[in-house]
Parts: sequence; structure tokens; C-alpha cells
Amino acid sequence: AQSVTQLGSHVSVSEGALVLLRCNYSSSVPPYLFWYVQYPNQGLQLLLKYTTGATLVKGINGFEAEFKKSETSFHLTKPSAHMSDAAEYFCAVSDKAAGNKLTFGGGTRVLVKP
Amino acid sequence: NAGVMQNPRHLVRRRGQEARLRCSPMKGHSHVYWYRQLPEEGLKFMVYLQKENIIDESGMPKERFSAEFPKEGPSILRIQQVVRGDSAAYFCASSPQVLEGNEQFFGPGTRLTVL
Repeated sequence: AQSVTQLGSHVSVSEGALVLLRCNYSSSVPPYLFWYVQYPNQGLQLLLKYTTGATLVKGINGFEAEFKKSETSFHLTKPSAHMSDAAEYFCAVSDKAAGNKLTFGGGTRVLVKP
Repeated sequence: NAGVMQNPRHLVRRRGQEARLRCSPMKGHSHVYWYRQLPEEGLKFMVYLQKENIIDESGMPKERFSAEFPKEGPSILRIQQVVRGDSAAYFCASSPQVLEGNEQFFGPGTRLTVL
């Protein structure tokens, strides 16, 4: 079975500071990994995904994530936080053997201070 | 191209009533997934459907919950005899085909409140 752990349910950063959201996964097969963002009372929007190839993945809104197999991690970063980055972020792993259903982490809520 | 549509966006039911949640996938998408987000929790997979078929319902509660995706029309998640613990946000996602690594496109969700 696959699982995802996001360290820190809440993260507070200052505007302009680095955003770092941690994600560790467990998978018995090479994983496909995703980061989604959820703004209040909205659905989820894909930020980026890793399937194969380059381990540093660039996404929308200046976010990027690095797949590290040895650490079973897929941490999300953004060099400079913007007020509009305040949202909840979910890391997820896809189960290829089960129609690509997603297993999500518990989410990390980001607060951006001016 | 319209995104995934869900209705209603908000639904209030009294205990014992039925709740019907609808999901229209993106045009050309024949795969639908339902997820539930309980308060202060992450999203949990419920069911995966293709047109007229339930492929994986391993995340569905054994009783009171059912899902369908008919040949014509939206996918329906049905909850019979709702209880307070069913209060949650229910999200539908769709995908064009099940290629490895395909992303799922999410709808805005239906927020169910059981009084």
C-alpha cells in the first residue's frame, strides 16, 4: 500500500521568504508524485508532477519540487513567497496498479505574513 | 473547454435524508474519481468509475453509499440515510484515460452539511 506523509500541518512564512513544504512517500513501485494546491472553498489545482526523467520538476506559480528516491521525498519549494500563495497544499502519490487513484498526505496550510 | 462541474456546491440535509451529488467530467474524459475531505483531514479516495462500470470502490463505506456513471449524464454519488459524520466536502476528479502519470482534474466540490 502507498502512503504519503507531510511534515507540518501549518507553515508560516514571511512575504519574500523561502517556502519549503515537506513530503515523504512510501511505495513498493516507482512512484508518480503530485503536488496540488487548494484555495479556500475551491477544488484542487495541479502545481506539478513527477513521472519519470528529470528529478527536479518545475510547476506553475514559481514552484518546483525535487524527487529524491534515496530519501523517498518530494519536497516542494518556492524561492520567494507571495501573499497569493496562502492556501493548502497536498502531496499525493498515484497507484498505477489501481487506475491511478491518488493517495494524499494530510495537507499543509501555508500562511504568508506581510 | 469547461472544467469538471459539480452540483450542488452546497447541500444541507437532515439526518436520515438522502444526498445526491453530481459530477460532470471534462469533455472527452471517461474516467471519474470521487474523494472525500473530512474536516481538518486530507482527501481520501472513495471510488473510481468508467462509463457504466465501477472499477474500484475500495474506499466507499460498506453501507449507505453508492456511485454510478451512466452512459449518458453525470456521475452520481448517492448517500442514503445521512448521518452527521457524513458532513464533508466531496470532490470529483476526471481523467481522459488511465495512462501512467496522468493527472486528474478536480471539480470545485460539494460541501455537505448534515443537521
